Amino acid sequence: NAGVTQTPKFQVLKTGQSMTLQCAQDMNHNSMYWYRQDPGMGLRLIYYSASEGTTDKGEVPNGYNVSRLNKREFSLRLESAAPSQTSVYFCASSGGTVSGQPQHFGDGTRLSIL
Amino acid sequence: AQKVTQAQTEISVVEKEDVTLDCVYETRDTTYYLFWYKQPPSGELVFLIRRNSFDEQNEISGRYSWNFQKSTSSFNFTITASQVVDSAVYFCALSGREKAAGNKLTFGGGTRVLVKP
Repeated sequence: NAGVTQTPKFQVLKTGQSMTLQCAQDMNHNSMYWYRQDPGMGLRLIYYSASEGTTDKGEVPNGYNVSRLNKREFSLRLESAAPSQTSVYFCASSGGTVSGQPQHFGDGTRLSIL
Repeated sequence: AQKVTQAQTEISVVEKEDVTLDCVYETRDTTYYLFWYKQPPSGELVFLIRRNSFDEQNEISGRYSWNFQKSTSSFNFTITASQVVDSAVYFCALSGREKAAGNKLTFGGGTRVLVKP
């Protein structure tokens, strides 16, 4: 069972480069999310998509854009990478149609920006 | 605004000791959901438990137990007879009744548990 698949797993970028992180889920979930995890700060929500065709900002959206390509896929784009965006990025999905559904996470993308 | 506080950043115990992780939350919602996730050294996030705000019964699952107290806005997690495999970072999280917002989660900062043999 694949669940939530993120690609790539690791990436090193130079400041100013652009990059798209890919996420796909095979659980027929309605809602998808992007988080970043920094040391000592837990996970912070960047963007989310409550359902196909909608996207909304989370807690830390600056410097990022997202695309909900279809029900399965939700991508995160860094248009001009900055060292402050060095982090581990997690994609997640949940059923969404019923309140309180747990989120299921991908294995993360470790991104370093030099 | 919602907030989750895990005051303990790191706990170190010797194998077979019990360990309790504290979680305190703030929310204006009358209906809400609380979660615990485990992040082992390999890095993935594993869902452990969900509790809704109307269900204050404590829960036990093997060596894990959870104590939800609405009066103190706390949802604490105890590992009994800890094992080395319990070494991980544990996150407490909160979501409100926001169907349109897709059940966004607010995470605490996490507690790193180190179990020594």
